[in-house]
Amino acid sequence: EVQLVESGGGLVQPGGSLRLSCAASGLIFSSYTMNWVRQAPGKGLEWISSISSSGSDTFYADSVKGRFTISRDNAKDSLYLQMNSLKAEDTAVYYCARGPSALIDFWGQGTLVTVSS
Amino acid sequence: DVVMTQSPLSLPVTLGQPASISCRSSQSLVHSDGNTYLNWFQQRPGQSPRRLIYKVSNRDSGVPDRFSGSGSGTDFTLKISRVEAEDVGVYYCMQGAHWPRTFGQGTKVEIK
Repeated sequence: EVQLVESGGGLVQPGGSLRLSCAASGLIFSSYTMNWVRQAPGKGLEWISSISSSGSDTFYADSVKGRFTISRDNAKDSLYLQMNSLKAEDTAVYYCARGPSALIDFWGQGTLVTVSS
Repeated sequence: DVVMTQSPLSLPVTLGQPASISCRSSQSLVHSDGNTYLNWFQQRPGQSPRRLIYKVSNRDSGVPDRFSGSGSGTDFTLKISRVEAEDVGVYYCMQGAHWPRTFGQGTKVEIK
């Protein structure tokens, strides 16, 4: 059974940093492009970043470019999102999702990030 | 960015009756590889999104055949032939033909 389990969310002050993790199981993690998609409270879905299976290629939405960094450790079957210079508008549930970004198929349960003073 | 526009945004439906959701893109979703990257997701209350349909009309494994997708170019439709109680939730279209990937605003399906 495929599982994607996000962790690392929490309350952080504006301007602060947070690192999200996504632990994958039940799949050959190193074979898949992985993604982060977020959902602000009561709002829709926003793709924010993707990383190729090897980690050599990364892609970002303009809203997070220069502040967020996606990375992965295939030896640990894990995906990461380093979030710096956080703003109130970054408050959202962050989902780890599998698949080429054009065909995202499987999602984790999400982790909530709240940016507030 | 490609803007994805869904309608309606709210869809009250009677159990057993059909439902239809429209999704229009501001640019053609036909990729240079010949595929049309339009996907549909269902998000039930309190749950993560689940993909139902990929590349316009391909149903994912385990998705009931009452769900179907159609369309081409910039105009797409998700249909539920007979709505069941478990279909309540928000439905999103998503394009994967252009960067950045973008979603529609979501259509909330509820039972009348």
